[in-house]
Amino acid sequence: DSGVTQTPKHLITATGQRVTLRCSPRSGDLSVYWYQQSLDQGLQFLIQYYNGEERAKGNILERFSAQQFPDLHSELNLSSLELGDSALYFCASSAETGVADTQYFGPGTRLTVL
Amino acid sequence: ELKVEQNPLFLSMQEGKNYTIYCNYSTTSDRLYWYRQDPGKSLESLFVLLSNGAVKQEGRLMASLDTKARLSTLHITAAVHDLSATYFCAVDWGDDKIIFGKGTRLHILP
Repeated sequence: DSGVTQTPKHLITATGQRVTLRCSPRSGDLSVYWYQQSLDQGLQFLIQYYNGEERAKGNILERFSAQQFPDLHSELNLSSLELGDSALYFCASSAETGVADTQYFGPGTRLTVL
Repeated sequence: ELKVEQNPLFLSMQEGKNYTIYCNYSTTSDRLYWYRQDPGKSLESLFVLLSNGAVKQEGRLMASLDTKARLSTLHITAAVHDLSATYFCAVDWGDDKIIFGKGTRLHILP
């Protein structure tokens, strides 16, 4: 158990809908990262937050947004969902924001868009 | 174009053997990460390599980085069944550009 929790574990929704994925980092970790893993695109880095502020932005679509709250949990919002958004979404946390910091991954949320 | 290529993509090997997974990338970087993913599970960070010549070892796994050749290797020594997993490398070019390889699915036969 990495100490990172993600909810929900599974999510099934329809095209055009909006969903919110939640991530709670390990106690004391200030950085949260979001990743997408799909059969088509493989693993992709989406976005990183550090202590409430956006720190790095990867291949995140404009239909997607994220935020990190004062209690350090993070949410990834996916809107106008398309079939191709079906994927596993992982979050990870690390203590700080340095490139050498070990990231600890949550169990993931499996999103199915029908 | 920024590219990361892993090979092989699939590897079936006997316990006790040694093997190497390769991660080639297109443009100079001195930041490379290795991850492990068990079937149906999440990711686990294995190694962070941050300079030319960096070598990190954990148990039967050893990772190295040659920034001039734009190549990282993950070497498995005397493989055991528990190392069966998919291994990913990822290259960080800064400016928020991080690209993962397609992964190497490793199956170690008892």
